[in-house]
Amino acid sequence: KQEVTQIPAALSVPEGENLVLNCSFTDSAIYNLQWFRQDPGKGLTSLLLIQSSQREQTSGRLNASLDKSSGRSTLYIAASQPGDSATYLCAVTGNQFYFGTGTSLTVIP
Amino acid sequence: GAVVSQHPSRVICKSGTSVKIECRSLDFQATTMFWYRQFPKQSLMLMATSNEGSKATYEQGVEKDKFLINHASLTLSTLTVTSAHPEDSSFYICSARQGSSVQETQYFGPGTRLLVL
Repeated sequence: KQEVTQIPAALSVPEGENLVLNCSFTDSAIYNLQWFRQDPGKGLTSLLLIQSSQREQTSGRLNASLDKSSGRSTLYIAASQPGDSATYLCAVTGNQFYFGTGTSLTVIP
Repeated sequence: GAVVSQHPSRVICKSGTSVKIECRSLDFQATTMFWYRQFPKQSLMLMATSNEGSKATYEQGVEKDKFLINHASLTLSTLTVTSAHPEDSSFYICSARQGSSVQETQYFGPGTRLLVL
């Protein structure tokens, strides 16, 4: 069964820093990988979707990479802002959607 | 982009009562809908997959008689938590997919917060 792990579980950084969130998965037979943002008590906001044939996707200050063979993805956030504070979830699509454990990010003004 | 809504967004009920949560795809027809549950500080866990017009497929450990799912039309799926107990308090999120292929994008609803007293 697919297992998706995210490291670190929590991260606190000062405003302006660049940061990297990590996601690893055990079964490389995936169709795509997606990064989501979840604000407290709220639903999911899709940030980036990387197809299995792609290596990376970029949107604004966000860049996500995918190394399917090693079962890893990273989400890079440039010039972090307090508004980036949220929980970030990665999810892989295999036979079904498998969510990671999440990274809780706090950006300190 | 495709929009999925959930109603209600928040519900508080007494132990032993039943609660119905609706999931609607607003601007597309959803062949497949999914129900997830998220406990505090944990990730989303798939509860069941429903296809329009057929019985839902439940994940291991999810009681199908307790969590009734009805995918009545291509735009509506309902989750009914029967005889709810405090341990059922959770955040329930649905998602919808237009086709049956796992490669297609899932669109997520905003979630429903259930508190059972």
